Amino acid sequence: EAGVAQSPRYKIIEKRQSVAFWCNPISGHATLYWYQQILGQGPKLLIQFQNNGVVDDSQLPKDRFSAERLKGVDSTLKIQPAKLEDSAVYLCASSFGQGGVLAKNIQYFGAGTRLSVL
Amino acid sequence: AQTVTQSQPEMSVQEAETVTLSCTYDTSESDYYLFWYKQPPSRQMILVIRQEAYKQQNATENRFSVNFQKAAKSFSLKISDSQLGDAAMYFCAYKGGKLIFGQGTELSVKP
Repeated sequence: EAGVAQSPRYKIIEKRQSVAFWCNPISGHATLYWYQQILGQGPKLLIQFQNNGVVDDSQLPKDRFSAERLKGVDSTLKIQPAKLEDSAVYLCASSFGQGGVLAKNIQYFGAGTRLSVL
Repeated sequence: AQTVTQSQPEMSVQEAETVTLSCTYDTSESDYYLFWYKQPPSRQMILVIRQEAYKQQNATENRFSVNFQKAAKSFSLKISDSQLGDAAMYFCAYKGGKLIFGQGTELSVKP
């Protein structure tokens, strides 16, 4: 079974530029998550989708970050304009669903995109 | 708000020995899940073990086991017969609504 795919693996940009990350979840997984992991910290949830609807974006800096999951499968996370403090690893994860039995709640992660903002 | 605390930023273990990683959490919810994830330098988070809060029996996965103390809000991970491949960052995570991670414990394994 294919895992969560993310691209690119690495991205270096200058501050005030824009950048986009792509994620393809595990086939059949309805729920998709984007996390930000700053060096030395645990991942922090940015946004959660259920199919193509947003469930939770309370920690997404909406003045510069946006995300979409138009057809309920792939997702794109965009930063515009980037700031130095956006340097981090951006992880995408997916799960079968949420709530109910444990198996639905297990999140599977991609390898992440390491963003460096200079 | 729920919080997860891992008080050991770094741990070290000799190959073939046993090590225990600590985790405490704070919540007012009664129904939740707890996880331990492993993150090698390649960055991909790998699920190690999971526990449902309503189950009193501690979860076990091969060399990995947990000590779940619900009243104390403690969820420690024991790794037996440590192997070089166990070296990684380990994250404890709590899931009520959203998944909340601790700060991580970096485990090194000495040959």
